Amino acid sequence: KQEVTQIPAALSVPEGENLVLNCSFTDSAIYNLQWFRQDPGKGLTSLLLIQSSQREQTSGRLNASLDKSSGRSTLYIAASQPGDSATYLCAVVTGGGNKLTFGTGTQLKVEL
Amino acid sequence: GAGVSQTPSNKVTEKGKYVELRCDPISGHTALYWYRQSLGQGPEFLIYFQGTGAADDSGLPNDRFFAVRPEGSVSTLKIQRTERGDSAVYLCASSLQPSSGANVLTFGAGSRLTVL
Repeated sequence: KQEVTQIPAALSVPEGENLVLNCSFTDSAIYNLQWFRQDPGKGLTSLLLIQSSQREQTSGRLNASLDKSSGRSTLYIAASQPGDSATYLCAVVTGGGNKLTFGTGTQLKVEL
Repeated sequence: GAGVSQTPSNKVTEKGKYVELRCDPISGHTALYWYRQSLGQGPEFLIYFQGTGAADDSGLPNDRFFAVRPEGSVSTLKIQRTERGDSAVYLCASSLQPSSGANVLTFGAGSRLTVL
């Protein structure tokens, strides 16, 4: 059974700092890995999707890497802003049907 | 519609009651997913539909939970004899097709269920 772990569970940084969120998964036979953002009381917003054949994806200040063989992914956020404060969730698709297995998330707070 | 719509946004009910949660996916999306998110946890898969049929219901916790999608669009998640442990946010998502790795899921804002 696929298990996804995210470290740290919570993180507080000053504005402008670069930061890294970590995700690990136990079954390396994944189809893709996705990073989501969740704001309080709202649904999930997809940030980046990395196919199993890819090593990284970039969108603006966000960069996600994937090391499938070691079961790890990182989300790098450059020049963090207070608006980046949210919970970040990592999820993988292992079997058919595009079903996601989520981690428990990292709650990020970017302070002024 | 422009996004995935879920109603009600909040539902408070008493233990033992019956509850229905509705999901209206993005127009044209053939795949529809239900997830449940408990406090402090990531979402957990419940069931997904391809068209009108439930392609995988392996995540439904027990037979008190049931979901339908009779016309291949709107879906209803039904919970019978609710228990306090059913309290969670129920998230719905849709995508163009369920092929693995190809399509990003679009999530709704969720329905928060509280069972007293």
